[in-house]
Amino acid sequence: KNQVEQSPQSLIILEGKNCTLQCNYTVSPFSNLRWYKQDTGRGPVSLTIMTFSENTKSNGRYTATLDADTKQSSLHITASQLSDSASYICVVSLSYASYDKVIFGPGTSLSVIP
Amino acid sequence: GAVVSQHPSRVICKSGTSVKIECRSLDFQATTMFWYRQFPKQSLMLMATSNEGSKATYEQGVEKDKFLINHASLTLSTLTVTSAHPEDSSFYICSAGGGQGDQPQHFGDGTRLSIL
Repeated sequence: KNQVEQSPQSLIILEGKNCTLQCNYTVSPFSNLRWYKQDTGRGPVSLTIMTFSENTKSNGRYTATLDADTKQSSLHITASQLSDSASYICVVSLSYASYDKVIFGPGTSLSVIP
Repeated sequence: GAVVSQHPSRVICKSGTSVKIECRSLDFQATTMFWYRQFPKQSLMLMATSNEGSKATYEQGVEKDKFLINHASLTLSTLTVTSAHPEDSSFYICSAGGGQGDQPQHFGDGTRLSIL
C-alpha cells in the first residue's frame, strides 16, 4: 500500500531554535519527494523537491535529506522564525505515463513561539 | 514562477445550493489539474483528476454526480458542488502542473466552503 507517514504530528519550538521533521514512505514506483509548507487557510507552497538520486537539497533555512534505501526523508529548519509556524507536508510522487500521482503525508504542525 | 489562481476564496451558502469553484493556471498551460479536499487538521485528500477535453477521473468514494468537474481549456478547471449540504463544508484546493520530472504541483489558495 502506498503510504506516507510523518512525525512528529505537532511540534512547538522557541524562536531561533532548529528543528527536524521526519517523513517515512512506502511508495512505488517512486518518482520524487517534495516538502510543502501550508499556512493556515492557504494552499501548500513547495519548499524542496528531490529525486531518487539526490541526498540533500537546501532552500534558504530549509534543508531536506533523502535516503532512498531506507525510504526516509527529513526537513531541517535552521534558526526558526515566527513565520515558520505552519503545517509541513511531505509529498511523494508515483510516476505514471503522463503525470505524477502524489501521495500526501498527514503533515507536521509546527508552532514557533517567541 | 507558476501561479494557480482559485476563486472564490470563501463561500457561505444555504443547503441545497450548487457552488462552482474555479481553478486557473495563470502563466502556464495545464492539461491535468487536481482537486483536493481538506478537513481541519488533516492533510489533503485527492478527490479527482481533471483532464482537459475529457472526463475527470474520480477517486474511490467520491461521487462524480455530486462533484462535477469541467476542464474546458488548458488554463481552467471548475468544480461544482451540486445541491450542497452541511457535510460538504470543507476546504477545497486545486493544483496544476507537476508533470513528470522535478516540477512541483502548484496549488491554489483554496476555497473555504461553508454550507448552512
